[in-house]
Amino acid sequence: QVQLQQWGAGLLKPSETLSLTCAVYGGSFSGHYWTWIRQSPGKGLEWIGEINHSGSTNYNPSLQRRLIISVDTSKNQFSLKLSSVTAADTAVYYCARSSQYFDWLAVGHYYTDVWGKGTTVTVSS
Amino acid sequence: SSELTQDHAVSVALGQTVRITCQGDSLRKFYATWYQQKPGQAPILVIYGHNIRPSGIADRFSGSSSGNTASLTITGAQAEDEADYYCSSRDSSGDHLGVFGTGTKVTVL
Repeated sequence: QVQLQQWGAGLLKPSETLSLTCAVYGGSFSGHYWTWIRQSPGKGLEWIGEINHSGSTNYNPSLQRRLIISVDTSKNQFSLKLSSVTAADTAVYYCARSSQYFDWLAVGHYYTDVWGKGTTVTVSS
Repeated sequence: SSELTQDHAVSVALGQTVRITCQGDSLRKFYATWYQQKPGQAPILVIYGHNIRPSGIADRFSGSSSGNTASLTITGAQAEDEADYYCSSRDSSGDHLGVFGTGTKVTVL
């Protein structure tokens, strides 16, 4: 049973850097994409970005210039850093595991099957 | 980038059937993935692929797709199905970017 445990600072001031880490317990670390997703208060889900065990990343274009996602395979952990935060970055941040299902045409379809509990991050002066 | 559009809210009588739809160009290439989220909880995976339910998901949940529209159907809705439902897919531009739908609030009457 794969479990994700996440941690990081919950209260930031504008212009600071948001930093979160997620540890993966159980299951294989390779063969998946390790994903960050956030949800602003009362709003929907927003895909932030992802990384695989090799360090290959995909980022949301709207966050890309402020975003770094990294991986530490020796610890089965991955991390998120979002710089120059503003109140608009206030949200619950989830780490998650994403996998691929391949159809008969070998097209890969992603799904996120394991989620962390979420970390509430508030940006306020 | 791709957008996925969902109805804001739907209601269903207890035991009846409700269909939630998700529209977007990327769904012509990729299957929609469906998530259920209850207040204060992380989302859980409900349907992925052509209509695959993860272990533990009730068989009253099913998925389908046609053209640019994907659907999640709850057949015989139960009180515990009251939740927000989100579809998700990948950007069809080839950049492998994830995208979520706008979400549908399902109320079971």
